[in-house]
Amino acid sequence: EVQLVESGGGVVRTGGSLRLSCGASGFNFEGHGMNWVRQAPGKGLEWVSGMSWNGGVISYADSVRGRFTISRDNAKNSLYLQMSSLRAEDTALYYCARDVSYLAFDSWGQGTMVTVSS
Amino acid sequence: QSALTQPASVSGSPGQSITISCTGTSSDVGAYNYVSWYQHHPGKAPKLMIYDVSNRPSGVSNRFSGSKSGNTASLTISGLQAEDEADYYCSSYTTSRLGVFGGGTKLTVL
Repeated sequence: EVQLVESGGGVVRTGGSLRLSCGASGFNFEGHGMNWVRQAPGKGLEWVSGMSWNGGVISYADSVRGRFTISRDNAKNSLYLQMSSLRAEDTALYYCARDVSYLAFDSWGQGTMVTVSS
Repeated sequence: QSALTQPASVSGSPGQSITISCTGTSSDVGAYNYVSWYQHHPGKAPKLMIYDVSNRPSGVSNRFSGSKSGNTASLTISGLQAEDEADYYCSSYTTSRLGVFGGGTKLTVL
């Protein structure tokens, strides 16, 4: 069974940093691109960042480029999101998701909540 | 990187068919056949219903179908059931090699 488990969320001050992790199991992790998607309270889904299976292709939404860094460790079956210079508008539930095609995410974790407050 | 445009809400009675539209531009929806649709029940993880415009993942009911014409993609749900009530989101790959979601559509089964 495919499983994705996010961790690392919490409450952080404006301007602070946080590192999210996503542990994967039940599938060949290094065979898939991985992504981060977030949902702010009461809002819709927003694609945040994606990384190809080998890290060769990395993309970021305009809203986070230059502040967030995606990475992965295929040996540990893990995906990461290093977030810095956090803003109130980054407050959201962050999901990691496995892709099967471009912007097609067939497996999702349950999410980890990030709250940025002053 | 503007969000794709979806109607805020749609509704239908059990057994009926409904269609949700997703309008983008020639830089996203119109550029490639990389449009996906997700069903999202509050408190649960989103579920992929359609990918690459019209492909259904294994296990998804054939009551769900997708199509695209120009810069607008559509999700059709036939034989509406109570459990179909949820939020639905479209997404698309863009020519900038980025991703974009629609604003979401709340489906109410009357």
